[in-house]
Amino acid sequence: NAGVTQTPKFQVLKTGQSMTLQCAQDMNHEYMSWYRQDPGMGLRLIHYSVGAGITDQGEVPNGYNVSRSTTEDFPLRLLSAAPSQTSVYFCASSYAGQGYGYTFGSGTRLTVV
Amino acid sequence: GIQVEQSPPDLILQEGANSTLRCNFSDSVNNLQWFHQNPWGQLINLFYIPSGTKQNGRLSATTVATERYSLLYISSSQTTDSGVYFCAVHGAGSYQLTFGKGTKLSVIP
Repeated sequence: NAGVTQTPKFQVLKTGQSMTLQCAQDMNHEYMSWYRQDPGMGLRLIHYSVGAGITDQGEVPNGYNVSRSTTEDFPLRLLSAAPSQTSVYFCASSYAGQGYGYTFGSGTRLTVV
Repeated sequence: GIQVEQSPPDLILQEGANSTLRCNFSDSVNNLQWFHQNPWGQLINLFYIPSGTKQNGRLSATTVATERYSLLYISSSQTTDSGVYFCAVHGAGSYQLTFGKGTKLSVIP
């Protein structure tokens, strides 16, 4: 099925642990991005990529790393989890440039205790 | 950065009623999109509408880029329309899609 696949759907981490949220798309979209959604805050951009090998920071990048070795995959790494990173994380992809065809994954609900 | 404001923040409708959601933005944009987040959290792209008017069934959207606002119309609302509606914009020359905080719509039978 075409679309954006995120794994895992749920995760509980202890403070200080690291983990990687996976994101893959099969639509040959050049642009991929990660958002976090917190109550009353809308969606805030963490990192984005306009193509393989190219990444850049969004509005709230601290505590997160990304890489883009292939067009299909865009993993998000939490280096040392903190309770402030408890959130719902969404990956999205679109055609290059100005976001036509924007498609979201189903989200990962992360709790840091 | 560009600011996106949505109104109203909350809206309760009786099934069958019509509604208008508004999105104001603070600067020139290259595109504007409307999304619906259903009660299960899934985000669906409703409209890609940098300017003009588009319609899709009971939903339509109008963007007046020169006046920096967009409107989403929902006619004959159904309970399945419930959820949060987000407006999001790409500022001129920017790759970043900036979201408003959303309008939470509840349609009651």
